[in-house]
Amino acid sequence: RKEVEQDPGPFNVPEGATVAFNCTYSNSASQSFFWYRQDCRKEPKLLMSVYSSGNEDGRFTAQLNRASQYISLLIRDSKLSDSATYLCAVTSGSGNTGKLIFGQGTTLQVKP
Amino acid sequence: DAGITQSPRHKVTETGTPVTLRCHQTENHRYMYWYRQDPGHGLRLIHYSYGVKDTDKGEVSDGYSVSRSKTEDFLLTLESATSSQTSVYFCAISESRQPQHFGDGTRLSIL
Repeated sequence: RKEVEQDPGPFNVPEGATVAFNCTYSNSASQSFFWYRQDCRKEPKLLMSVYSSGNEDGRFTAQLNRASQYISLLIRDSKLSDSATYLCAVTSGSGNTGKLIFGQGTTLQVKP
Repeated sequence: DAGITQSPRHKVTETGTPVTLRCHQTENHRYMYWYRQDPGHGLRLIHYSYGVKDTDKGEVSDGYSVSRSKTEDFLLTLESATSSQTSVYFCAISESRQPQHFGDGTRLSIL
């Protein structure tokens, strides 16, 4: 079993739709969680950190469920510009190395 | 954008030749990382550094070596390049428990 797993998709949704992605992780000692966005042939860019109480940034909401060991990303009112691959990242254990384990990514395609 | 520069941005070379990729940061971050990204595998950690002259192996370190003689520079060397090392290589930096920020990537083709 991979340490961090995501459904690769693709998720094809119309503009204005709400879409949610999940990411499961296996190491219960992981402390920090992030969502990254990656456009084709570009570097991953931090979208948002995921906090225990859940957090929102505009149309994006991230949540953490420690009991079930998954994080989620909800995108409301999808825009064409949201089309990208979304990577979840989880710290490798509880140490201070800053090491992250990345999921393979979920591809989102927003259609007009 | 975080001050991270990768060089070269593109390189084509032949099997058996040594290749060195450079990552330069202006953020004075403690941690630096080298990843490769391949279809079907996602981002995989090659090596990382937690300070000057302090490095450790990642998930896919065979065939790669690294050096960090200054805070700002982290070099990745392919000692004898093989076609299986054709990939996109990303450098990232971070501070402890903070998210990583990535460079623009290096596209390496080994023929």
